[in-house]
Amino acid sequence: DVKVTQSSRYLVKRTGEKVFLECVQDMDHENMFWYRQDPGLGLRLIYFSYDVKMKEKGDIPEGYSVSREKKERFSLILESASTNQTSMYLCASSFLAGVVNEQFFGPGTRLTVL
Amino acid sequence: QQPVQSPQAVILREGEDAVINCSSSKALYSVHWYRQKHGEAPVFLMILLKGGEQKGHEKISASFNEKKQQSSLYLTASQLSYSGTYFCGTEEGAGGTSYGKLTFGQGTILTVHP
Repeated sequence: DVKVTQSSRYLVKRTGEKVFLECVQDMDHENMFWYRQDPGLGLRLIYFSYDVKMKEKGDIPEGYSVSREKKERFSLILESASTNQTSMYLCASSFLAGVVNEQFFGPGTRLTVL
Repeated sequence: QQPVQSPQAVILREGEDAVINCSSSKALYSVHWYRQKHGEAPVFLMILLKGGEQKGHEKISASFNEKKQQSSLYLTASQLSYSGTYFCGTEEGAGGTSYGKLTFGQGTILTVHP
């Protein structure tokens, strides 16, 4: 059974802290994505990666960075967390090529920044 | 720019039908549809490729009008299990050039009552 796992379901951090969100997939997918989900705004892409050490900005990259040192792992980093980064964070992965490149999502991390 | 979904919410009784629309201002290669149940990860339903092909998944089907850059999701004879938030995700360009990057709509909340 395909799986995308995220390091935490719930996380509470203080303003100014450095926050790491980890995502691991076991499907040998080339693509990995980080989204944030807010009510009424849907899923918005923060960053994505199509290969190890490659990264591309999504639609809302400000305040975030990413790291992909291994194919199966994609990390999202909040260098200095702020209250407006309180949100649900979803990781997803997919194959790079192919007709049906569906994205498989992890269970999400609900981050609260106080 | 995110595709626009309509309606934002719909309430049905079991057995009733619903249509969810997704409209983009960009030239699209494909449209994905996902369903997210409360507290769970989004799950892939189907993909529509350029060519106007209609796809089906049990009693859920969809169409893609590439001239209008619009897609519609049809839910017939709805069941309680159809409740959730439905997202369209659009892939721009000629295919194979966007690394499978999707831009998601804001979501449509579907509630099915007994």
